[in-house]
Amino acid sequence: AQSVTQPDIHITVSEGASLELRCNYSYGATPYLFWYVQSPGQGLQLLLKYFSGDTLVQGIKGFEAEFKRSQSSFNLRKPSVHWSDAAEYFCAVVNTGNQFYFGTGTSLTVIT
Amino acid sequence: DGGITQSPKYLFRKEGQNVTLSCEQNLNHDAMYWYRQDPGQGLRLIYYSQIVNDFQKGDIAEGYSVSREKKESFPLTVTSAQKNPTAFYLCASRPQVGNQPQHFGDGTRLSIL
Repeated sequence: AQSVTQPDIHITVSEGASLELRCNYSYGATPYLFWYVQSPGQGLQLLLKYFSGDTLVQGIKGFEAEFKRSQSSFNLRKPSVHWSDAAEYFCAVVNTGNQFYFGTGTSLTVIT
Repeated sequence: DGGITQSPKYLFRKEGQNVTLSCEQNLNHDAMYWYRQDPGQGLRLIYYSQIVNDFQKGDIAEGYSVSREKKESFPLTVTSAQKNPTAFYLCASRPQVGNQPQHFGDGTRLSIL
């Protein structure tokens, strides 16, 4: 069965510090992976996606993620966090039946 | 601009009442989804539809119903059988082919009076 785990429920970082949000997936075939961001009371916005090829993918707002098949991970990173990055972040995988599986999310607080 | 419109933004339901949440998209997407979001639980799939006049139950379909009479529209009815309907509801859509990402509306927050 497909699943996504985000081990960190809440992370606090200082503005300007680097960020890494963890995501582990369980999927038998080649995974199609996504990271979304959600501001309070809003819908989810796509940050980046991985289908195949280069394992380091670039997204919007200066985010990137690295796919590591050996570790079943797809961690999200940003070199320098801005106060506006405070939000909820979700990792997701889609299966061949077009069903999406989301992690439970990581809430990011940025200290200024 | 293309996108997904959910209405209303806030909705209040009385005990024993059915309410319908609207979701409209002009992205020409085949597939549409309804999720329920509760604090600390991420997104849980209620129903999804991959084509007009067809839909499938998700993980938490009990107490909910949907219809897909038009490609653009996928309304969700929260029935009186749903005993704990207070939540944030998100609608999403995506193209059917190519493992494309979902696009989300801005959500409807449903509360019980």
